[in-house]
Amino acid sequence: GDSVTQMEGPVTLSEEAFLTINCTYTATGYPSLFWYVQYPGEGLQLLLKATKADDKGSNKGFEATYRKETTSFHLEKGSVQVSDSAVYFCALSSHSGGATNKLIFGTGTLLAVQP
Amino acid sequence: NAGVTQTPKFQVLKTGQSMTLQCAQDMNHEYMSWYRQDPGMGLRLIHYSVGAGITDQGEVPNGYNVSRSTTEDFPLRLLSAAPSQTSVYFCASRRDRLTDTQYFGPGTRLTVL
Repeated sequence: GDSVTQMEGPVTLSEEAFLTINCTYTATGYPSLFWYVQYPGEGLQLLLKATKADDKGSNKGFEATYRKETTSFHLEKGSVQVSDSAVYFCALSSHSGGATNKLIFGTGTLLAVQP
Repeated sequence: NAGVTQTPKFQVLKTGQSMTLQCAQDMNHEYMSWYRQDPGMGLRLIHYSVGAGITDQGEVPNGYNVSRSTTEDFPLRLLSAAPSQTSVYFCASRRDRLTDTQYFGPGTRLTVL
């Protein structure tokens, strides 16, 4: 079945460092891909999405490109801030004809940014 | 818009007790769902509903019941709590069953002793 694999954390960086969180997926068909962020004590919020190959999603300085050839959707940010400390989830939405789309999550990666 | 709201925020139960986790949304979304979040396992789908009066099982439905009598509300019932149900529970909604973008509530942290 469809699945998402993302790098285990925690990822610890200093402020202004470059961030990459790897995400790869397995899916039949052409899923939409997402990154969600969960700040401490809160629910998940959609960070960015991409719906087809070579699309780039971006938001708040974060970017991710839908790479069909490598089945990847890696999250990047050029300069992280302490306020970016959170858990990041990669997810896919599997489209199965007219049936209900199912959202499948990776296990999450904890990012800790130190001043 | 309050979005997706959940109550309570925290709950402690003893084994065998029952309780209902409340979830409501004010966005007129057809699709609602419940997830549990456990360390190292991401989010797993418990039950979902594609509209009032329609519910279906997700990946981990055992020990949980749901109903959807209105568009706004989607309560999750634990009939006889077990320690294995200690988790953080999230309710989510989206416009309909084919829409991708999902909105999450703030979560309920449940401990079963």
